[in-house]
Amino acid sequence: GESVGLHLPTLSVQEGDNSIINCAYSNSASDYFIWYKQESGKGPQFIIDIRSNMDKRQGQRVTVLLNKTVKHLSLQIAATQPGDSAVYFCAENRNQAGTALIFGKGTTLSVSS
Amino acid sequence: DGGITQSPKYLFRKEGQNVTLSCEQNLNHDAMYWYRQDPGQGLRLIYYSQIVNDFQKGDIAEGYSVSREKKESFPLTVTSAQKNPTAFYLCASTWDRGNTEAFFGQGTRLTVV
Repeated sequence: GESVGLHLPTLSVQEGDNSIINCAYSNSASDYFIWYKQESGKGPQFIIDIRSNMDKRQGQRVTVLLNKTVKHLSLQIAATQPGDSAVYFCAENRNQAGTALIFGKGTTLSVSS
Repeated sequence: DGGITQSPKYLFRKEGQNVTLSCEQNLNHDAMYWYRQDPGQGLRLIYYSQIVNDFQKGDIAEGYSVSREKKESFPLTVTSAQKNPTAFYLCASTWDRGNTEAFFGQGTRLTVV
């Protein structure tokens, strides 16, 4: 079935390194994508979003890249800090009436000092 | 402060009992959602509502029920028909049909004892 998925369930980096978290989606009709960060025992927090008419969007220390040709989404975190340790989810919206955000399984990012 | 509130944070239920999880938002959002999260897993959609007095089943609606009598409130009832109800439940809301950022509550951890 259609789904949003992530390539790796875990990612370990050193403090100060750049992190790249990947996500593949299968529905070419999706036109809105979001990255969320979830800390243990808490609800997901919005990080950054991107619409399908864009290839790249930057925030503070984060960049989201969208490649519609291969249906791939990535989140880049610059100068990763211990506070970035969390589970990261990508989500897509299929821009159809009566739909909701569909989430991938998540990547656990561990940052060591 | 505007936000979305889930209560209680922790909930214990005996097998065979129904239990209702509360979700309230004061963001004036039209759409509200319930997701279930199991350990190490992504978020799976249970039910969603895009307007008062209307709601739709998500991917895993069996054993759950909802109501949307007020714009601000979207309670979820976990019925005795749900065979494996122990999980982390997350409520979210958006301005419209999910084409914008979803705001999440802090979750309710339900344990069946």
